[in-house]
Amino acid sequence: GENVEQHPSTLSVQEGDSAVIKCTYSDSASNYFPWYKQELGKRPQLIIDIRSNVGEKKDQRIAVTLNKTAKHFSLHITETQPEDSAVYFCAASTTPGTASKLTFGTGTRLQVTL
Amino acid sequence: GAVVSQHPSWVICKSGTSVKIECRSLDFQATTMFWYRQFPKQSLMLMATSNEGSKATYEQGVEKDKFLINHASLTLSTLTVTSAHPEDSSFYICSAIGPPTYFGPGTRLTVT
Repeated sequence: GENVEQHPSTLSVQEGDSAVIKCTYSDSASNYFPWYKQELGKRPQLIIDIRSNVGEKKDQRIAVTLNKTAKHFSLHITETQPEDSAVYFCAASTTPGTASKLTFGTGTRLQVTL
Repeated sequence: GAVVSQHPSWVICKSGTSVKIECRSLDFQATTMFWYRQFPKQSLMLMATSNEGSKATYEQGVEKDKFLINHASLTLSTLTVTSAHPEDSSFYICSAIGPPTYFGPGTRLTVT
């Protein structure tokens, strides 16, 4: 089955700096790569996603890049703010039928300090 | 966007009892739903795929006789934790459709 590795496990940056989180996946059949932000005790919140036919996607301060050949994808957050502090998960997905089956990375705890 | 609800949001039960968690799609039909489990400070781990009208598919290492899944309608999947033990205490989350995936709000289970 799919295996997703995520690094780093913790990341501390100063407000205004950039943060980069990297993930690798193993299953070449995976075709959808979402990133989630999760606050304590709450459901994961989708912040950006990318499909396998696209190499890069950007949404304001957040961008994701995908290298299918190397099977890795990265999340980039620019101009970080204290409210960006949370746990971030990458995921890789296949879509059997009508729904996405997600395999999550191990998570990155991002701390944005003043 | 699509809405997925879960009930209850939290539950405390005694060891040896069974607990049922419901996952509903409120404004769409879901032939497939997924159940995840998340232990404190860990990632979400897929437990099983719930298929409407047929048996669930369990991930390796998940006991199908302990975690009973029923997907009797296009809007409801239930997860029953049978003979719960303290090690089953976790955050259980369901999801539906995708991409993008819509998650339920989760159920915090504490077994005493």
